[in-house]
Amino acid sequence: AQSVTQLGSHVSVSEGALVLLRCNYSSSVPPYLFWYVQYPNQGLQLLLKYTSAATLVKGINGFEAEFKKSETSFHLTKPSAHMSDAAEYFCAVGLNYKYIFGTGTRLKVLA
Amino acid sequence: DTAVSQTPKYLVTQMGNDKSIKCEQNLGHDTMYWYKQDSKKFLKIMFSYNNKELIINETVPNRFSPKSPDKAHLNLHINSLELGDSAVYFCASSPLAGVGPEDEQYFGPGTRLTVT
Repeated sequence: AQSVTQLGSHVSVSEGALVLLRCNYSSSVPPYLFWYVQYPNQGLQLLLKYTSAATLVKGINGFEAEFKKSETSFHLTKPSAHMSDAAEYFCAVGLNYKYIFGTGTRLKVLA
Repeated sequence: DTAVSQTPKYLVTQMGNDKSIKCEQNLGHDTMYWYKQDSKKFLKIMFSYNNKELIINETVPNRFSPKSPDKAHLNLHINSLELGDSAVYFCASSPLAGVGPEDEQYFGPGTRLTVT
């Protein structure tokens, strides 16, 4: 069975600091992996998605994620946090017509 | 033009009532979904339709009935509303039926349902 674990339901960083949001998955077959962002009172928006073409995936707004099969991880990073990055971030694994979402990580950016 | 739209945005109703939420996508996608997001932000799929055909039904109480009149619309009807149904309901669509690298989902803005 598939599952997704996001470590840290809340993460706080200072503006300009590195953002690291963790995601680990379990899947019996190679998964499709996604990161979505949800701004307050809005729907989810795709940040980036993993295709088997490259293990380092670049997304929108300066975010990127690295697929590490040996660690079953797909952590999301951004070199320098901006105030506008404050939001809820969801990792998802996709297989067989559906996504399994992680429980989300709320990112707070401190001025 | 909004890609995935939902109506209403807010819905407040009493226990026992029946209500519907409508969803429309103008992206030409074949697959549509309903998700429930609870108060802890946990997001769980409820239903998925591909070209008007149900392909996922995730152990949702049969008080919830999705209806897809055409592939651009997926409505959610809820009978005999309960307090535990209070949540944000999201509609989404994707181009293909399966979940592959290209199958990103496009989400609507959500409908906040409050049952009192």
